Amino acid sequence: DAMVIQNPRYQVTQFGKPVTLSCSQTLNHNVMYWYQQKSSQAPKLLFHYYDKDFNNEADTPDNFQSRRPNTSFCFLDIRSPGLGDAAMYLCATSRGSTDTQYFGPGTRLTVL
Amino acid sequence: GDSVTQMEGPVTLSEEAFLTINCTYTATGYPSLFWYVQYPGEGLQLLLKATKADDKGSNKGFEATYRKETTSFHLEKGSVQVSDSAVYFCALSDRTNAGKSTFGDGTTLTVKP
Repeated sequence: DAMVIQNPRYQVTQFGKPVTLSCSQTLNHNVMYWYQQKSSQAPKLLFHYYDKDFNNEADTPDNFQSRRPNTSFCFLDIRSPGLGDAAMYLCATSRGSTDTQYFGPGTRLTVL
Repeated sequence: GDSVTQMEGPVTLSEEAFLTINCTYTATGYPSLFWYVQYPGEGLQLLLKATKADDKGSNKGFEATYRKETTSFHLEKGSVQVSDSAVYFCALSDRTNAGKSTFGDGTTLTVKP
């Protein structure tokens, strides 16, 4: 089945230790998104790619970076995780920018 | 800017009760509207959508109608089941805002047997 896959499902890192979360898709969608979701809150868009074009949200901290080496893969790099970065990170894809978004299961990040 | 306001939760209902979760929006253009559902420990899944005024989205017994005049997209279900327990997010995607999606804060629904 076509889907959005996120690895790992659970990630534990130490304060200040760089961490990378990965997302892959078999839908061949043009757009890939990264969201941060904290408990009982709405997903907060960090950035998205339309093909190779990177779009950063104005309030996304510089600590968060992203890479999209090809259509299928997108990575979220957190350069120096702080305790406040502990959250669920959701990857999503869509065919076009106003189309339905298809979400992965998320990666729950714990920062010790 | 765009915004979505959802009925505050949590909502607790008995099985077979009628469900309404209110959602209103503000947008500069003519957005597409969505309801997503999130089960515990999972990502969001599309429940239903509507792309223009007066469209009705429906899926799994849930319905919502795009009301431009009241800028609303209320979610309804005639008879809820325990398996409907989840968090429901109303969202919009606005072409005039580079297609950026805006989500409501989510409404937690618990259905008791």
